Amino acid sequence: DAGVIQSPRHEVTEMGQEVTLRCKPISGHDYLFWYRQTMMRGLELLIYFNNNVPIDDSGMPEDRFSAKMPNASFSTLKIQPSEPRDSAVYFCASSFGLGKGHYGYTFGSGTRLTVV
Amino acid sequence: AQTVTQSQPEMSVQEAETVTLSCTYDTSESDYYLFWYKQPPSRQMILVIRQEAYKQQNATENRFSVNFQKAAKSFSLKISDSQLGDAAMYFCAYRTLTSGTYKYIFGTGTRLKVLA
Repeated sequence: DAGVIQSPRHEVTEMGQEVTLRCKPISGHDYLFWYRQTMMRGLELLIYFNNNVPIDDSGMPEDRFSAKMPNASFSTLKIQPSEPRDSAVYFCASSFGLGKGHYGYTFGSGTRLTVV
Repeated sequence: AQTVTQSQPEMSVQEAETVTLSCTYDTSESDYYLFWYKQPPSRQMILVIRQEAYKQQNATENRFSVNFQKAAKSFSLKISDSQLGDAAMYFCAYRTLTSGTYKYIFGTGTRLKVLA
């Protein structure tokens, strides 16, 4: 398996524009997570899905953020409109199960978003 | 609420030497997972090692081992025979098994420099 695949690797956009980040989890993994990493706040969980269903989106900062998982092999995180304070590295991660035997997340390489 | 503390923002080690990174956590739960993740300059978060709280035996993965002291709520990572490729940010993470939330709580990280 190629691991968790995120695109794009870098994104520079102007304030007010829509940004869409993409993630392909590892085949067979039933949990998918979106995290944001900044120097000030560290790693923050934004939302996670189980079997394509959003379970906990309490970490999504504002209504400008939305996430979807239309099928088991694809998820998107959308920011509309984007603001400079959204600049961060956004990680997608997936895992198989979360109970006993859980062996941790597999992370993607992240998308570095810069909003100017 | 659980917390994870990494008190060493930065550590240095000579190549081939041994270094220990500290992590303490606070929880009232008895069953949980602890992880160490490595984030090299390539940015991807890589799982280094995992410890289940109900197991007394310390986890080991090749040159990486942990010293898990459950009563003291301490989970340090020892890297033996340090290599240049070990240079990275290292994050300690806690994940509960009992409260029904699947969030990881990450520490603020320790930057490890390996000196040739």
